[in-house]
Amino acid sequence: QSALTQPASVSGSPGQSITISCTGSSSDVGGYNLVSWYQQKPGKAPKLMIFEVTERPSGVSDRFSGSKSGNTASLTISGLQAEDEADYYCSSHVGDSIWVFGGGTKLTVL
Amino acid sequence: EVQLEQSGAEVKKPGESLKISCRASGYSFSTHWIAWVRQMPGKGLEWMGMIFPGDSDTRYSPPFEGQVAMSAETSTATAHLHFSSLKAADTAMYYCARQGFGGNSIDYWGQGTLITVSS
Repeated sequence: QSALTQPASVSGSPGQSITISCTGSSSDVGGYNLVSWYQQKPGKAPKLMIFEVTERPSGVSDRFSGSKSGNTASLTISGLQAEDEADYYCSSHVGDSIWVFGGGTKLTVL
Repeated sequence: EVQLEQSGAEVKKPGESLKISCRASGYSFSTHWIAWVRQMPGKGLEWMGMIFPGDSDTRYSPPFEGQVAMSAETSTATAHLHFSSLKAADTAMYYCARQGFGGNSIDYWGQGTLITVSS
């Protein structure tokens, strides 16, 4: 299973919206509504931000939203804040109870 | 409160064996998959596999099949990741994590165990 494709970096100014893409294939992202997104800050364990493409866990800000079109899933962060600066990873089911992560995207808040 | 407490950092030599642990609390250990995730220095997350403690059913990502072994003890609510012969390339942070939401997503993470393999 190959890692899902994410941009290496994205950036935005406070208050703006940014979108991070996660591209796979019909065998993973496109084949299941089982895409999750994780935020990881330096030296910390990842944190779940979105699951099942669009669902937000309790306690996660509604500034974070997820979507999917075809083989590409997206994470959108609106009203960007300095605290959002982190690495973001997508993950998808690939069948046979196996999962794969994307390569990760570094978000810089300018 | 769901918690996953991992064992401490390890420094080992190539060829040595190692078992790291992940103790769960705050939920029914037997009924949730536990996944292991590798993060090599400065790199991204890699899903290694998962185990269902209730019956020890395991699923390995192909790159990790035969390279590691996963086990779980329901009596102590502890999952383990075993390395039979460490290599320098095994140097990484290893996270255990609970696959919640019916197994559809990782919802809780341990703090990570750093393994350093060096001669």
